[in-house]
Formats: sequence, structure tokens, C-alpha cells
Amino acid sequence: DAGVIQSPRHEVTEMGQEVTLRCKLISGHNSLFWYRQTMMRGLELLIYFNNNVPIDDSGMPEDRFSAKMPNASFSTLKIQPSEPRDSAVYFCASSPRLAGGSFRTDTQYFGPGTRLTVL
Amino acid sequence: KQEVTQIPAALSVPEGENLVLNCSFTDSAIYNLQWFRQDPGKGLTSLLLIQSSQREQTSGRLNASLDKSSGRSTLYIAASQPGDSATYLCAVSSTTSGTYKYIFGTGTRLKVLA
Repeated sequence: DAGVIQSPRHEVTEMGQEVTLRCKLISGHNSLFWYRQTMMRGLELLIYFNNNVPIDDSGMPEDRFSAKMPNASFSTLKIQPSEPRDSAVYFCASSPRLAGGSFRTDTQYFGPGTRLTVL
Repeated sequence: KQEVTQIPAALSVPEGENLVLNCSFTDSAIYNLQWFRQDPGKGLTSLLLIQSSQREQTSGRLNASLDKSSGRSTLYIAASQPGDSATYLCAVSSTTSGTYKYIFGTGTRLKVLA
């Protein structure tokens, strides 16, 4: 198994531009998590999906951020317009299951991350 | 609000030493606690997952314990090696407002000297 795949690995853009980050889940996993990591705030959960449905997006910083799961194996995180303070490493992670109704989870498998720099 | 703290923030030890990393959390109503390893420029790799009903988990030279009532977990690394050098993060899962949250500590940066 190739693991969680993220693209691009590095992105440098100018303030005001649209940025799209991509994530491919491990086959058979049905939960998807987007995280952001900075030196100041550490690792923060932005949003998570279960069976393609967004469950909790309270960690999304503001309306400039949006995330989608167009199918069971793929997700995008879009920032429009981007700002310098969005510079961070963005990780996605997938998990094999969430037990129905209880939201317990098994191990999360992280992708290698996308390092975003907004100038 | 769940808060996760890791002490120390950084640690440097000679090879072969046994060491303990600490993690504390403020809300004992957790589903599980997970220890991760992060190498520079890489993603996180899960090391051990302890469910709330368990007291400890072991994998090779690693042993993680969980004391829910006191809000603490420790990661014990036996006979440390230079290859153990990395940042170690703990994360707890708990519910906030009825939905699942995974809250991470800020990590302990470990350096094992050859």
C-alpha cells in the first residue's frame, strides 16, 4: 500500500492567489482528517470527514478555507485568497473506520504533508 | 476544553540510556491516547495507541502507559539509539460538543547522541 498521498509536497505562492492541496486516502479507509502544523500553534485539526460527509469543520480558520471529498478516496483543501499567515505544513490523515455512533477511532495514518509558503 | 501538554520540550541523552517522555491532558473523558513520532520534514507515524479501557501498550523497546484519572501518559523508550532521534507527539481523542476531536501536544524533541 502506498500510504496516504499528498500533492504538491511544496507550494510557494503569492498573497491573494488560490491554493489547492490534494490528498488520496489509503484504500479502504473511510475517515479523512486535515491538519495544519505551525511552530506557534503546533498541530491543529482543521476538518474531518466520515464516509465523505464533513463531521466537524470548527477548526477551519475562516471562510477562505474550504474542503471537499468528491469521492471516497480523494479530498481537496482550498484556500482562496491565500495570505502569508496561512504558511504552514498541511497534513491529511486517514483512518480505517469510525465505529457507528461512537466516533471512536483507530490509528490515524498521516501523509507526508504539503509545505505551503505564501509570500 | 481539552489541553495536552508535553514535558520536556526537548531532551538530549547518550545512546543506551532509558528515557521517559511525559504527556498530560486536562479532560479525563477520552476515548484513546496515541503516541506519534515525527521525523524532520516528514509526516507523523503512529507508535502506540492506548484505548481508554487499557493501562498500557508495548511495542518493541517502547512502552506507553495511561492513567486517565490523573490525566497522564508516559512513553518509555528502553536502550535508546541514535535512530530514535525525532519529535514525539501525544494526542488524545475526546468529544467536544458531540463531535470527535483529536488534540495534539506540542511534542518533545529527542536527540540521542552516539
